[in-house]
Amino acid sequence: DTGVSQDPRHKITKRGQNVTFRCDPISEHNRLYWYRQTLGQGPEFLTYFQNEAQLEKSRLLSDRFSAERPKGSFSTLEIQRTEQGDSAMYLCASSLAFGQAAQPQHFGDGTRLSIL
Amino acid sequence: AQSVAQPEDQVNVAEGNPLTVKCTYSVSGNPYLFWYVQYPNRGLQFLLKYITGDNLVKGSYGFEAEFNKSQTSFHLKKPSALVSDSALYFCAVRPYSGNTPLVFGKGTRLSVIA
Repeated sequence: DTGVSQDPRHKITKRGQNVTFRCDPISEHNRLYWYRQTLGQGPEFLTYFQNEAQLEKSRLLSDRFSAERPKGSFSTLEIQRTEQGDSAMYLCASSLAFGQAAQPQHFGDGTRLSIL
Repeated sequence: AQSVAQPEDQVNVAEGNPLTVKCTYSVSGNPYLFWYVQYPNRGLQFLLKYITGDNLVKGSYGFEAEFNKSQTSFHLKKPSALVSDSALYFCAVRPYSGNTPLVFGKGTRLSVIA
């Protein structure tokens, strides 16, 4: 079990640029989640996949955000035309789908995005 | 819609003393409840969960939590705090049924003083 891996750990970019983050889940986990965490808040759900299917998207996920998991393994989260308010920690988590509601999610160390 | 309240932003405790981090929840139906810990610049680490059965749940690093259905609470406890327990603690809930995502509280910062 190598854990959930996220890349990059930090990203600094200018407002208006596009950014893409990558998440590699625990290998046998078929569920993958994306969260956003801002200072002083708990993680807020963005979207999740079961295998390659994106099953739910939060209202927080504006049209500028897109997530993919093309082969049911790693996932990418892209933010287009970044805005100041996008500055946050973006967390990825994975879990087994079996007994899904009871399964704990295992988190990566996140990508911290800073918009200049 | 489900929600979680962690009424204390900060909890301070002396090393060796017992600690409690409070959590109350609101959910339709029976809840699944979780506690996570977050160290600086790291992701969340799973500590323990309540699914069903015994109201007292034991987890990692000597932590335990008590589920109280009538008070809709799930407080995290440890009999003897360590300085290394200092971190940010999050309570999370999801309903027993359905595919709804986890909802997290705002977190409680625990400081254990030597």
